Amino acid sequence: QKEVEQNSGPLSVPEGAIASLNCTYSDRGSQSFFWYRQYSGKSPELIMFIYSNGDKEDGRFTAQLNKASQYVSLLIRDSQPSDSATYLCAVQGGFQKLVFGTGTRLLVSP
Amino acid sequence: NAGVTQTPKFRILKIGQSMTLQCTQDMNHNYMYWYRQDPGMGLKLIYYSVGAGITDKGEVPNGYNVSRSTTEDFPLRLELAAPSQTSVYFCASSYSGLNNEKLFFGSGTQLSVL
Repeated sequence: QKEVEQNSGPLSVPEGAIASLNCTYSDRGSQSFFWYRQYSGKSPELIMFIYSNGDKEDGRFTAQLNKASQYVSLLIRDSQPSDSATYLCAVQGGFQKLVFGTGTRLLVSP
Repeated sequence: NAGVTQTPKFRILKIGQSMTLQCTQDMNHNYMYWYRQDPGMGLKLIYYSVGAGITDKGEVPNGYNVSRSTTEDFPLRLELAAPSQTSVYFCASSYSGLNNEKLFFGSGTQLSVL
């Protein structure tokens, strides 16, 4: 079992819809959870982090964490074509143990 | 403020050659990291440093070496390049390495070993 699992996609949504990106992790001791966005040919950039169960909202983005189910998700409301990118889930299990998933490619069509 | 700067952006090596990937940051960050990203794969940690003079291995250190003589610079050395080292390399930094802390990434180096 991979430490951090994501569906590679592509996840295709129409402009204005909600995009839902999911991530599961295997280490129950994981403490912090991150979502990075990576445009093609570019470096990752942090868009959200969460460390408590529940929801965390920042503009059009909502991160959801369920530690009992070892599940973290990212919702993007009112999706825009500019949101088309690969979204990397990263899980911090301990000191310098930040594990990245393989990423989910999101395509938002006009 | 330049952030994290990596050079070169692209490089082609022949098998057995060596090279150094340069990384420098101007944010006075203590922690610096080298990751590699293979197509369709997540980022894998190669080496990291918690401060000048201190480095440690990450998940995939074989075939690489690092040094950290200053806070700003964290070069990655490839000795005897192999095709398996064809990848995109990212340098990153953070202030303290604590949980919930954002990593700042450089723009990456695309390396091909032929």
